[in-house]
Parts: sequence; structure tokens; C-alpha cells
Amino acid sequence: SQTIHQWPATLVQPVGSPLSLECTVEGTSNPNLYWYRQAAGRGLQLLFYSVGIGQISSEVPQNLSASRPQDRQFILSSKKLLLSDSGFYLCAWNAGKSTDTQYFGPGTRLTVL
Amino acid sequence: AQSVSQHNHHVILSEAASLELGCNYSYGGTVNLFWYVQYPGQHLQLLLKYFSGDPLVKGIKGFEAEFIKSKFSFNLRKPSVQWSDTAEYFCAVRDGGSQGNLIFGKGTKLSVKP
Repeated sequence: SQTIHQWPATLVQPVGSPLSLECTVEGTSNPNLYWYRQAAGRGLQLLFYSVGIGQISSEVPQNLSASRPQDRQFILSSKKLLLSDSGFYLCAWNAGKSTDTQYFGPGTRLTVL
Repeated sequence: AQSVSQHNHHVILSEAASLELGCNYSYGGTVNLFWYVQYPGQHLQLLLKYFSGDPLVKGIKGFEAEFIKSKFSFNLRKPSVQWSDTAEYFCAVRDGGSQGNLIFGKGTKLSVKP
């Protein structure tokens, strides 16, 4: 069966520091991968998605970037964190077909101080 | 651009009360519709989905939702809620004609009093 992992689970970082959040999927090949940010009362905002290795689409211009160095690995990064980057970051995957459901990881709670 | 509206930010019910959470979307074409639930401290997980066919969709834990195309709605219902239904509920829509991405509503927090 397929599983999705995210780490770290929680992270506290100072303003201006770099960020690297990792997401990996097991049990499937060539998934579509997604990064969302969830803010209280604002739902889920799609940040990036990827349909294959090295293919990244950005939905929202911001201080963050994403990379997909391997088929089942998706990384969210920042060179310099801002206070406004605080939030709950969710990774998700689906099999890429139009009828597929997205499955979400456990999330990373990021606090920027 | 597509958008999803969830009318209630926070709903508070007593156990055994009936539940209906509203969801409206803006896209006029073929859509895929989803309800996701996030229980406290748990992953966001699929509650139910509609792609085609019977507009009344049944999901896990006694939930159901009805797709009403003319109203651009996909409301979530449960006849009798339990304390364990306390969670945040998200409606999402995707353009059914492509591999379009999900557009989520802002979520509705449901608190069920024992």
C-alpha cells in the first residue's frame, strides 16, 4: 500500500534562516506531488505541484521554492524565512489520473520567530 | 478562476443533532467534488467524492453529500452526529475535464458536544 511521509513534524526557525521540508511517497511510481500551506480559517492553499522529476509548477509567488530530485521525493525550501512563512505545510500525492483522489501526509508545523 | 465557498466557519452541535455543511463552487463545467476531514492531530483524509453518476454520494462514517448541479452545491450531511465527528471539514473541487488541481474551501470546524 502507498504511504506518504513528511519530516520534520514540527520546526521552529528564526527569521532569515533557511528551510528544507521533505516529503516522500512509498508504494507508487511517478506520482503527482503537491505542497499546500494550511492556515487557520484560510483553508488549504496550493503552493507547488510536480508531475515528474525536475518538473515544478508554482501556484503562488512567494518566498518558497520546491524541488523534485527523485521520483518520490518532493522538497520545499526557502533561503531566508519570513514571519509570514509560519504555518502548517502539507504534502499530497495522487496517481496523476483525472479521477484520482489526493492523499495527504501528516504535515509539518513551521513556526518562524 | 474556480473558487469554493464554505458558508460556516464554525458549527457547534450536540450529539444526535443533524448536520449539514454547505459548499458552493464557481466552476460551470464538469467537476469532481470532494469532502476531506481532518480530525484533531490526524492526517487530512478523504470523506467522500463525486465524479459522475448518482448525485447522492455516501462516504465513510455515515456521511453523505448531494451534488446539485443547478445550485453549484455539494453539501455534506449526517443525520445524527457523534462526539467523534468533531473535526475540520474541507470541501474541494477540481475541473473534471483535466488533471486540474484541487481548489479547497476555507474549511468548517465542527464541534460536537457530548
